This record gives sequence, structure tokens and C-alpha cells, in this order.
Amino acid sequence: QQQVKQSPQSLIVQKGGIPIINCAYENTAFDYFPWYQQFPGKGPALLIAIRPDVSEKKEGRFTISFNKSAKQFSLHIMDSQPGDSATYFCAAFGSGTYKYIFGTGTRLKVLA
Amino acid sequence: GAVVSQHPSWVICKSGTSVKIECRSLDFQATTMFWYRQFPKQSLMLMATSNEGSKATYEQGVEKDKFLINHASLTLSTLTVTSAHPEDSSFYICSASGLSGDNEKLFFGSGTQLSVL
Repeated sequence: QQQVKQSPQSLIVQKGGIPIINCAYENTAFDYFPWYQQFPGKGPALLIAIRPDVSEKKEGRFTISFNKSAKQFSLHIMDSQPGDSATYFCAAFGSGTYKYIFGTGTRLKVLA
Repeated sequence: GAVVSQHPSWVICKSGTSVKIECRSLDFQATTMFWYRQFPKQSLMLMATSNEGSKATYEQGVEKDKFLINHASLTLSTLTVTSAHPEDSSFYICSASGLSGDNEKLFFGSGTQLSVL
């Protein structure tokens, strides 16, 4: 119940493509869903986040789609660039437990 | 966004020595700090959660006598790896939450690569 399943494990797209990374959760007590971007040898950086009362959120080229009934959410990167090549982690947070559960990560490579 | 500073960024030590890693929230008061361990190409593994002025809560399987966590102030937490051994070699990352108005947001330090010889 505490798991967050993330897919795919790795992804390669051409420059300008729209990579999509998916996450699914079980625990309906989660109430905050962030995405993090991590470059090699660095800590994760908060990219964008959504709450379950919203179905979509956009910030720049990054969009989260959220399906509460299916308990799934996804990250879309519009007009992807080689500089977006990184590992992306989804997470789920429950304000009751004050714990983050991270997905297993997706290694994205954007080809020039 | 809020800034979390972690130091050092890398450290090499001999087996049996202790290593201290510092984590500071530079522009906000971190009511809660988290310490993670990350193996190559893997996800973040939560080691412990600490609140200012109280003992850290360790995750199952994490030796609290080996990984000493101190959260003495609202801006500083430290992780000390005692009597380090090669199997402790890993990437350690701290994170902090408590930003006013965005309490659930988690901000990460830049990580510390520990290599134990």
C-alpha cells in the first residue's frame, strides 16, 4: 500500500519529443504528488507538484496529469531538450504520516 | 525555491574512521529533515527522519548507533557515519521541509559521495 510504481525505467526520445513518465499509487491517504529531477552526482530538485483536487498542472514545459479515480499521475515534458536528460522521480506524500514515498526513477535521455 | 546546503560534497576516508555530513537550510527554518541513501541507478532510500530538538526516527534496518543523526537547530542537521566500512560507501542526501506556507515541499541538498577505503 505504501508503494509508488513508476514506469518506464528508462526512456530515449528525440529532441522536441514529448516523453511521458507514469506513476501509480495505492494509498488514498496521499495528498501531495511531486516530481523531482536529478542529475548525476547531485541531489534531486523539485520540478512540479500537484494535489489530488486538480487534474492537470502546467509549469513551463512540464505538465502533470492526475487521475484520482485510477490513482495514477504522469509527467509530460513538452519540446524536450538534451538538457532534460536526467533521472526523474515521482513521489507521494501523506500529510498524516509526513512521509514521502518515492518511485523507482526513470532515466531519460533526449537525443540531440 | 528554498536552499538546502550539504557539505562536504564528497569524502574519502579509511575504514574504521567516522565521517560527519552537515545539512543546512539556508533561507528557511526546517522543522523536519530527512536523510536518504542512494545506490547507483537506484531510488532514494529513507534512512531517518529528524525533528529539531528531538531524537531521530530511524527506518527499519538502519542502525541508529552507526548512523548518528543530530538536529540541534532549525537550520542544521548532521549525519555521522561511525566506524565506517567499505559497505557504507554510498551517496547520502539530506532534505528539509518546513517552508512557511508550503510545509509539504521537500528540498534536497546536493548530496555527499562517501567512499570508504
